[in-house]
Amino acid sequence: AQSVTQLGSHVSVSEGALVLLRCNYSSSVPPYLFWYVQYPNQGLQLLLKYTSAATLVKGINGFEAEFKKSETSFHLTKPSAHMSDAAEYFCAVSLGSSASKIIFGSGTRLSIRP
Amino acid sequence: DADVTQTPRNRITKTGKRIMLECSQTKGHDRMYWYRQDPGLGLRLIYYSFDVKDINKGEISDGYSVSRQAQAKFSLSLESAIPNQTALYFCATSDSQAGGTDTQYFGPGTRLTVL
Repeated sequence: AQSVTQLGSHVSVSEGALVLLRCNYSSSVPPYLFWYVQYPNQGLQLLLKYTSAATLVKGINGFEAEFKKSETSFHLTKPSAHMSDAAEYFCAVSLGSSASKIIFGSGTRLSIRP
Repeated sequence: DADVTQTPRNRITKTGKRIMLECSQTKGHDRMYWYRQDPGLGLRLIYYSFDVKDINKGEISDGYSVSRQAQAKFSLSLESAIPNQTALYFCATSDSQAGGTDTQYFGPGTRLTVL
């Protein structure tokens, strides 16, 4: 069975600083991996996804994530944080459409300091 | 217009009442899902449906039921609401024909409070 662990329920960075949100996964077969973002009072929005085509995945709003099989990680990064990045971020793992569902991590709340 | 809509957006009810949350989508997707979100727990799957005649329990289905009235509509019912069902509920859809990744698209959520 697959699972996902997000390290750190809350991350705070200064505006302009590097954003690093950590995600580790467990899967018995090559997984599909996702990052979703949830802005206040909104639903989840897909930020980016890994589908085995390339290990470095670029998403919306300047975010990217790198799939590292040896570390079973899929950390989310952004070189320079913006105030509008303040939100909750969820990492998720799926075995693809032949499987039943996506498993979500518990989420990391990102705060941006002025 | 939003592709995935949920009604109501907010609901306050009392213990023991029957509640229905509705979800509609215009994305043409075959798969639909209901999740609940609780602080610190992420999203947990309640029920999912791969098509109109295929409905499956998720990890926390006790106390809930669903109905897939059409490909575009998937409703969630709480037969007798209890306070620990107070949560944010999300509907999602995915397309089984879209390249195999099963990317899910979410509605805006329904905030349910059970007193």
